[in-house]
Amino acid sequence: EVVLVESGGGLVQPGGSLRLSCAASGFTFSSYAMTWVRQAPGKGLEWVSAISGNGDSTYDADSLKGRFTISRDNSRNTLFLQVNSLRAEDTAVYFCAKGRYFDWFLSDNWLDPWGPGTLVTVSS
Amino acid sequence: SYELTQPPSVSVSPGQTASISCSGDKLGDKYAFWYQQRPGQSPVLVIYQDSKRPSGIPARFSGSNSGNTATLTISGTQAMDEAEYYCQAWDNSTVVFGGGTKLTVL
Repeated sequence: EVVLVESGGGLVQPGGSLRLSCAASGFTFSSYAMTWVRQAPGKGLEWVSAISGNGDSTYDADSLKGRFTISRDNSRNTLFLQVNSLRAEDTAVYFCAKGRYFDWFLSDNWLDPWGPGTLVTVSS
Repeated sequence: SYELTQPPSVSVSPGQTASISCSGDKLGDKYAFWYQQRPGQSPVLVIYQDSKRPSGIPARFSGSNSGNTATLTISGTQAMDEAEYYCQAWDNSTVVFGGGTKLTVL
């Protein structure tokens, strides 16, 4: 069974940083692209970033480029999201999800399954 | 940037058919995906590549995509289907989600 568990969220002051983690199990982690999606309280889903199976290719939402960095450690079956210069509007639950393929940019790629998410609250 | 538009809410009586639309420019030229999110839970893929169901998803869920509109149809809707539903498509290497539709089973 594929299991994804996010961690690293919490309360952070505006301008601060966090490193989110997503621990994966139940599949060959290095063979699949992975992604982060966030959801502000009471709002819809917003795609954040994605990374190919070997980490060589990364993709970011235009609105977040420069502040968020995705990476992965295939030896530890873990996906990361470094979030910097945090703003109140970054307050959200951050989900990780597994892609269907090694590569990210394929028109029939899906996001499945998803982890339970980790809450990031940006407030002074 | 590419946009997907969904109705904010849809209501259906138990046992009836619910249809949720998702519109976007030439959406029919892309694949549409649908995710179900129950309150307090993470999203679950219910339809991929316009009309295919992942294993474990009941047959009452179906999808179609043509022109500018993709549609998620739930036949014989059950109380457990009450949830938020999001459509999704690709715009180059970017994932785009619709704003979500709250399905209420009255």
